[in-house]
Amino acid sequence: GAGVSQSPSNKVTEKGKDVELRCDPISGHTALYWYRQSLGQGLEFLIYFQGNSAPDKSGLPSDRFSAERTGGSVSTLTIQRTQQEDSAVYLCASSLVLAGGIPYEQYFGPGTRLTVT
Amino acid sequence: AQSVTQLDSHVSVSEGTPVLLRCNYSSSYSPSLFWYVQHPNKGLQLLLKYTSAATLVKGINGFEAEFKKSETSFHLTKPSAHMSDAAEYFCVVTRGSGSARQLTFGSGTQLTVLP
Repeated sequence: GAGVSQSPSNKVTEKGKDVELRCDPISGHTALYWYRQSLGQGLEFLIYFQGNSAPDKSGLPSDRFSAERTGGSVSTLTIQRTQQEDSAVYLCASSLVLAGGIPYEQYFGPGTRLTVT
Repeated sequence: AQSVTQLDSHVSVSEGTPVLLRCNYSSSYSPSLFWYVQHPNKGLQLLLKYTSAATLVKGINGFEAEFKKSETSFHLTKPSAHMSDAAEYFCVVTRGSGSARQLTFGSGTQLTVLP
């Protein structure tokens, strides 16, 4: 079946421009997560959605970062006024909802490599 | 707060020899622990997970990990390394509350397999 997909796969943008990164989760997965993988910082959590709401935005590094999810499916991560330190691979994951105290596996997309010049 | 520490940033082994990737965790309550693998230019893939059902967990590709509460460890092992095992490995713990759990990743261990 189809896995998590992300677009674009690569994005090069100039400093100060806005970018939008898209994630299509696995159908039926109500939980959606955004992570960032960068040199020197490793892999860090940004935000997660349960349905269309975001109970935890604690990982967003600044107010230039925002995300939304519509229809309980597609999510968009927006970075405004990009800076060079935003260069990283942005990963999206989705999962079924926790049941019985046991978290389901998170399935990761291939990522979007963002380069800010 | 929950965290994981991967004790080795790089591990090199010869093909056919055992693999040991070390991970220690810190958790204020019973954690769920995972190992993920990332091959070059590929996405993250789950190797195995511990969710309190059994302390010895078997995963894909011959890997296994043992949860040791007394040592707060969750080391990943494989009896015999294969060239295709060369990749980066992440020890991961869940954190947060509610019905979904975000992941906290260790810093990763790069495994090199020598012919």
